Amino acid sequence: NAGVTQTPKFRILKIGQSMTLQCTQDMNHNYMYWYRQDPGMGLKLIYYSVGAGITDKGEVPNGYNVSRSTTEDFPLRLELAAPSQTSVYFCASSYGRGPNLAKNIQYFGAGTRLSVL
Amino acid sequence: QKEVEQDPGPLSVPEGAIVSLNCTYSNSAFQYFMWYRQYSRKGPELLMYTYSSGNKEDGRFTAQVDKSSKYISLFIRDSQPSDSATYLCAMSANFGNEKLTFGTGTRLTIIP
Repeated sequence: NAGVTQTPKFRILKIGQSMTLQCTQDMNHNYMYWYRQDPGMGLKLIYYSVGAGITDKGEVPNGYNVSRSTTEDFPLRLELAAPSQTSVYFCASSYGRGPNLAKNIQYFGAGTRLSVL
Repeated sequence: QKEVEQDPGPLSVPEGAIVSLNCTYSNSAFQYFMWYRQYSRKGPELLMYTYSSGNKEDGRFTAQVDKSSKYISLFIRDSQPSDSATYLCAMSANFGNEKLTFGTGTRLTIIP
């Protein structure tokens, strides 16, 4: 049972380069999220999606783009990489809203460590 | 002032000790509270979740919420070396919790 899978695990980018962080889940979850985690700063929500074709900004969306063409995939795009985007990126998914709190549990991938030099 | 404050530690305790981890928050709209455990180089995994004030117990773990003081705690009894990890509190005002606010995490080491 794969859960939430993120690729790549590590990446080094030069300033100005672009890349796509991949995220896929096999739990048939409706909701998907992208977070970044910086030392001493906790997890910050970048973008989230409540279903295919629907995305919305989180707390720190600048410099990123997302799309959700299928239920399973939620890629995160960095167009012009900057040193401030050096971070660990986590993708998460949850079933979505419902009367049962357990349906709202967010399951996380293992993360992508990105350095922009 | 951050919306959620959490002592970053690091915290080191001997095996078998009781561990207390805490978060304070300023947003009175928060009513769903979670604790995540994150092992080194891994993603966070949900440990416990609670709604509103009160206690919840699950094995060696107890979560407490005091909404009047805007204070939540996680207690670990009979701590084990496998409990060594970073513990993140998270909270939300919405039932769907699509917008979680996380604490910065407390790094815990259990010494055998």
